[in-house]
Amino acid sequence: GQNIDQPTEMTATEGAIVQINCTYQTSGFNGLFWYQQHAGEAPTFLSYNVLDGLEEKGRFSSFLSRSKGYSYLLLKELQMKDSASYLCAVGDSNYQLIWGAGTKLIIKP
Amino acid sequence: GAGVSQSPRYKVAKRGQDVALRCDPISGHVSLFWYQQALGQGPEFLTYFQNEAQLDKSGLPSDRFFAERPEGSVSTLKIQRTQQEDSAVYLCASSSRRGGYEQYFGPGTRLTVT
Repeated sequence: GQNIDQPTEMTATEGAIVQINCTYQTSGFNGLFWYQQHAGEAPTFLSYNVLDGLEEKGRFSSFLSRSKGYSYLLLKELQMKDSASYLCAVGDSNYQLIWGAGTKLIIKP
Repeated sequence: GAGVSQSPRYKVAKRGQDVALRCDPISGHVSLFWYQQALGQGPEFLTYFQNEAQLDKSGLPSDRFFAERPEGSVSTLKIQRTQQEDSAVYLCASSSRRGGYEQYFGPGTRLTVT
C-alpha cells in the first residue's frame, strides 16, 4: 500500500534549526515534494527532490535518500512566520501526489 | 488572475442540499486537480483533469460527487445530497504540465454540512 509518515507536531525556538523527517512507501516514485501550509490557507510549494542528496534554497533545505525511502526538510534561522504545517508528498507512477498528514511546526520566541 | 481562485470560500449547507464549488485555475494550466482535506490531515485526491478530459475520478468518495471542466479552464465540483461527512476543505490545484507534480493551490472552500 501507499504510506507516508511524518511527525504530527514539533516545537522549536526562534532563531534555531529544525529538521522534519518523512518516510515513505509508495508503489511508484517520481519525486518527493515539501509544501508549507499556514492555518486556513492553501499549501504552497517549497521543494522538489528526485535524486539523492541535499537541495538548498535559502533558509530551507531538503534531503532525499531513495534507497531508504526517507526525506527531511531542514529549516534554519527559524522565524515566527515559519509556524505552519509542513506536508511531505510523493509523486506516484502516474501523476498523483500521495500526501502525508503534515507536521505542525510551532515556533516559540 | 495571478493565482488559482476558488469560490465560495465558505459554504454552509443543510444535510441533503446540493452544493457547487468553483475553481478558476491559473490561465493556460493544462492540469487541474481537486482534493479534499480534513482538519489535521493532508489533502486526499479526488479527481484530475487534463484540459477538459477527466482522466481520473478514482478518488471521488461516492456517486454524489461530480466534477466537470467543460472548456478546459474553470472547473466545478458538485456534491449532491450533502452529508455531514462531506464537511471538509475542498482544494483545487493546477499545473502547467500534463500530470503536473508542481501544483499551485487555490485557497480552498470550507464546506460545513449541518
